[in-house]
Parts: sequence; structure tokens; C-alpha cells
Amino acid sequence: NAGVMQNPRHLVRRRGQEARLRCSPMKGHSHVYWYRQLPEEGLKFMVYLQKENIIDESGMPKERFSAEFPKEGPSILRIQQVVRGDSAAYFCASSPTSENTGELFFGEGSRLTVL
Amino acid sequence: QQQVKQSPQSLIVQKGGIPIINCAYENTAFDYFPWYQQFPGKGPALLIAIRPDVSEKKEGRFTISFNKSAKQFSLHIMDSQPGDSATYFCAAGGSSNTGKLIFGQGTTLQVKP
Repeated sequence: NAGVMQNPRHLVRRRGQEARLRCSPMKGHSHVYWYRQLPEEGLKFMVYLQKENIIDESGMPKERFSAEFPKEGPSILRIQQVVRGDSAAYFCASSPTSENTGELFFGEGSRLTVL
Repeated sequence: QQQVKQSPQSLIVQKGGIPIINCAYENTAFDYFPWYQQFPGKGPALLIAIRPDVSEKKEGRFTISFNKSAKQFSLHIMDSQPGDSATYFCAAGGSSNTGKLIFGQGTTLQVKP
């Protein structure tokens, strides 16, 4: 029973390039959350998606960032025209329900470095 | 209102000691308070969680104490071991919060042999 799968684990981009981070939730989970972790900081909520719907994007920067969770395939977090400040670990989490039992299952993260 | 404040930022104890990590919240709509453990290079994993209708919950060597009136909760690790060395995050969520969790800033714990 595979856990939350994220790829790539490490990604290096130059300023101005695009970064695409992918997340496959646990089997049977239809709720996906993206969090960003800056060095020496906690996890900051970015966006919550269900299949084909964005439910809560209150933590997403207004520009350059977008997320999707299509009917088929993984959820994707897309960062356009990356800047050095985007360097961080991006974690995806999934849950089987939105009833907030609290247990989010996290992937191992995608670490983005912007040169 | 959506913040969760965690302290201390780092903690060093000897093996067998009882590290205590504290968290405080403001939003009274929160009704779920989990703790996550994160090892370097890994994702956070749920350790233990509590709801406000109980004041204490134990799972093995880990105990959450919850003070609803003070809007504070804490994690105690009994008989700490070097393998407990990790970063610990408290979090808060609510049924009205679309399922998302608000995390504290994290506490890096080192347990010396």
C-alpha cells in the first residue's frame, strides 16, 4: 500500500524557469493539500484540492503559482518564472475525508532550489 | 486568529529526560490538535492527536496535555531516547477549516545518549 508519492524529490531551476511538482495521493484518498516549508520554518498551507476542484487556495501566492488535481493523474503544483525566494521544500499530503480527523498523510517532499 | 505559536524553537535533553514542547492558539473554532514528527529529509508523520473534550491523551511514551481555557496544549516525551531526535510540529484544525491544518513553527529536539 504505497504512501503519498511526490516527484521529483529534488529539482534545480534557474531564475525565470518553470517548476512542476507532482503528487500522487494514497490509494483511496481524494483530498490533496500542498504545504511549503522554508528552511528553519514550519509548514505553511498553500492549497487544498479535490478531484477537478480547488477547494481552498487561501495560502497560494496570487501570482506565478497554480495547482490542479485532474480527474486522472497526479496533482500538480506549478510555479512559473521562479525566483530565489521560491527555494523551499514543498510537501503534499492526502486524506480520505475532509471531516478534519486531522490525519494528513505526507509525502517526502520535493525540494526546489532556484539558482 | 489562524496562528499557532510553538516553543521552544530547539531543545536538548539527556537520554531518559522528559522534553516538553508547548503550543498556543487563538482561534476557538479549532477542534483538532495533532502533533507531527519529522526526521531530516522526510515528510512529517502523525504522532498523536487530541480533541478539546479531553485534557490528556497518552500513546506509549508520548502524552498530550490540553488546557482549553488557556488555549494551550503541550507534548511530553517520557524516557526520551536518541531515536526521538527529530523536529516536532504542533498543529490545529477545525471542522470549519476545510480540513487544512495550521502548523506551529516547529521544535528541533536533540536527545543526547
